[in-house]
Amino acid sequence: GDSVTQMEGPVTLSEEAFLTINCTYTATGYPSLFWYVQYPGEGLQLLLKATKADDKGSNKGFEATYRKETTSFHLEKGSVQVSDSAVYFCALANRDDKIIFGKGTRLHILP
Amino acid sequence: NAGVTQTPKFQVLKTGQSMTLQCAQDMNHNSMYWYRQDPGMGLRLIYYSASEGTTDKGEVPNGYNVSRLNKREFSLRLESAAPSQTSVYFCASKSGPNPYNEQFFGPGTRLTVL
Repeated sequence: GDSVTQMEGPVTLSEEAFLTINCTYTATGYPSLFWYVQYPGEGLQLLLKATKADDKGSNKGFEATYRKETTSFHLEKGSVQVSDSAVYFCALANRDDKIIFGKGTRLHILP
Repeated sequence: NAGVTQTPKFQVLKTGQSMTLQCAQDMNHNSMYWYRQDPGMGLRLIYYSASEGTTDKGEVPNGYNVSRLNKREFSLRLESAAPSQTSVYFCASKSGPNPYNEQFFGPGTRLTVL
């Protein structure tokens, strides 16, 4: 079945460092891909998405490109801030009505 | 719009007690979901409802029941709570089965079963 694998955390970086969180997927057909973010004590919220190969999703300085040849959707940000500290979930949606989530990566940004 | 709301925010139960977690959305969405979130496990789907009057099991349905009362509301019931059900529960909604559509999440209910 469909699945999502993302790098385990926690990831700890200093402010203004470059961020990459790896995500790969297994799916038949052409799924939509998402990154969700969960701030402390809150529910998940959509960060960005891409719906077809080579699409780039972007929001709040974060970017991810849908790479069908490598079945990947890595999250990147050029300069992280303390306020980016959160848990990040990679996810995919395919033909049915469900979204499949990775296990999440906790990110700590040190001032 | 309030989005997705959940009540209560926190709850402590004793083993064997029952309770219902409430969820409502005001976005006229067809699809609604219940997840549990445990450390290191990510989000696991308990039940979902593709439309009013229909419900289906997810990955971890044992020990839970659901009711899609109307298009707005989707409740989760624990008939006889067990310590293994200690978790954070999230309700979510989505406008329909189109895979492009995002899910919108509530703020969660933190449940402890003693």
